[in-house]
Amino acid sequence: GAGVSQSPSNKVTEKGKDVELRCDPISGHTALYWYRQSLGQGLEFLIYFQGNSAPDKSGLPSDRFSAERTGGSVSTLTIQRTQQEDSAVYLCASSLEDFSTDTQYFGPGTRLTVL
Amino acid sequence: RKEVEQDPGPFNVPEGATVAFNCTYSNSASQSFFWYRQDCRKEPKLLMSVYSSGNEDGRFTAQLNRASQYISLLIRDSKLSDSATYLCVVKNQGGKLIFGQGTELSVKP
Repeated sequence: GAGVSQSPSNKVTEKGKDVELRCDPISGHTALYWYRQSLGQGLEFLIYFQGNSAPDKSGLPSDRFSAERTGGSVSTLTIQRTQQEDSAVYLCASSLEDFSTDTQYFGPGTRLTVL
Repeated sequence: RKEVEQDPGPFNVPEGATVAFNCTYSNSASQSFFWYRQDCRKEPKLLMSVYSSGNEDGRFTAQLNRASQYISLLIRDSKLSDSATYLCVVKNQGGKLIFGQGTELSVKP
């Protein structure tokens, strides 16, 4: 079946512009995560949505970052007034998170470059 | 201190070698533990979950020591295709996955 998809795959923007990154999780997965990975670094947790619960936003690095998940499915990560240090690969993952499994499935990522 | 810490890499080993990765975590309330594999410029993929009793999947053996808050991954008879970055991952009680920095493995002919 279809996996997690993300769009765009690559985004180049100018410093100060806003960007929106999209994630389509696997159908039926209740949990959705956003991470970012800078070159040669590990994954940095950004935000976690689980069902109808309030999202865990503890990883968002600044108030320029926000995320929504509409209808319990598609999620959009928005970065306002982008800075060069925002350049990274932004990865989305989804998980079924029932009692039997909590495996996360990652999308291919969006490579963001801020000039 | 990072919540999940791994051996610094890279590990460069010949084909057929046995290689061990170590990982420690700081949150004693952590609930689940995993090893993920990430190939260059690709997304991470689950390699295996880690259970207290230890578990094996072919050439891969994972161990968890809750008392020491230590996780390990052993790869026997390493193959060229095992070259990747191995990520130690801990799930806390809030459901959030915390990733280690990863250890890069390079298996040479």
